[in-house]
Amino acid sequence: NAGVTQTPKFRILKIGQSMTLQCTQDMNHNYMYWYRQDPGMGLKLIYYSVGAGITDKGEVPNGYNVSRSTTEDFPLRLELAAPSQTSVYFCASSYGQRVQPQHFGDGTRLSIL
Amino acid sequence: AQTVTQSQPEMSVQEAETVTLSCTYDTSESDYYLFWYKQPPSRQMILVIRQEAYKQQNATENRFSVNFQKAAKSFSLKISDSQLGDAAMYFCALDPSRGSNSEDQFYFGTGTSLTVIP
Repeated sequence: NAGVTQTPKFRILKIGQSMTLQCTQDMNHNYMYWYRQDPGMGLKLIYYSVGAGITDKGEVPNGYNVSRSTTEDFPLRLELAAPSQTSVYFCASSYGQRVQPQHFGDGTRLSIL
Repeated sequence: AQTVTQSQPEMSVQEAETVTLSCTYDTSESDYYLFWYKQPPSRQMILVIRQEAYKQQNATENRFSVNFQKAAKSFSLKISDSQLGDAAMYFCALDPSRGSNSEDQFYFGTGTSLTVIP
């Protein structure tokens, strides 16, 4: 049972570089989410999607972009990496109705130097 | 505005004892869901328990139970017979959108770090 798979698990970027964090789920979930977790803090929602072709901003979207071309994939892109984006990133998904619990990936630890 | 507050940054419990983690929240919705998630050192987020606001009965999952006080907007987690594997960060979360289409996001508290003492 793969569930939600995130790649890579760790990455170090230089300021100004770009990269894409990959997220794939095999549970046929409609809803997918990207969160960031800063040290000692809870999760902050970056972007979410309620289905293929539909995305929307969360609480902290600046500096990020997403796309949802398929039900399974929800990549998160950083165009110009900044030190403030150093964080742990979590992808999550949930089935159908919004109130279902979210299933999380293992996280990506990203450092911007 | 929706908020979730966990006022205990750290808690500790003796193995086999009982511990209660506190969570308060605020929402203008009358119907919503509340969750407790566990995040061990592996960083994976694991659902522990959930409560539907329209249900008066407190949710229970084996050694985990909640004390849901809707009027007080309180949602505490009780862990009975604590085990070493319960050591983790615990997050309280609110899903305020049941019955409405205005929002599609969860709100998380800042977490409580639980240490289990052998």
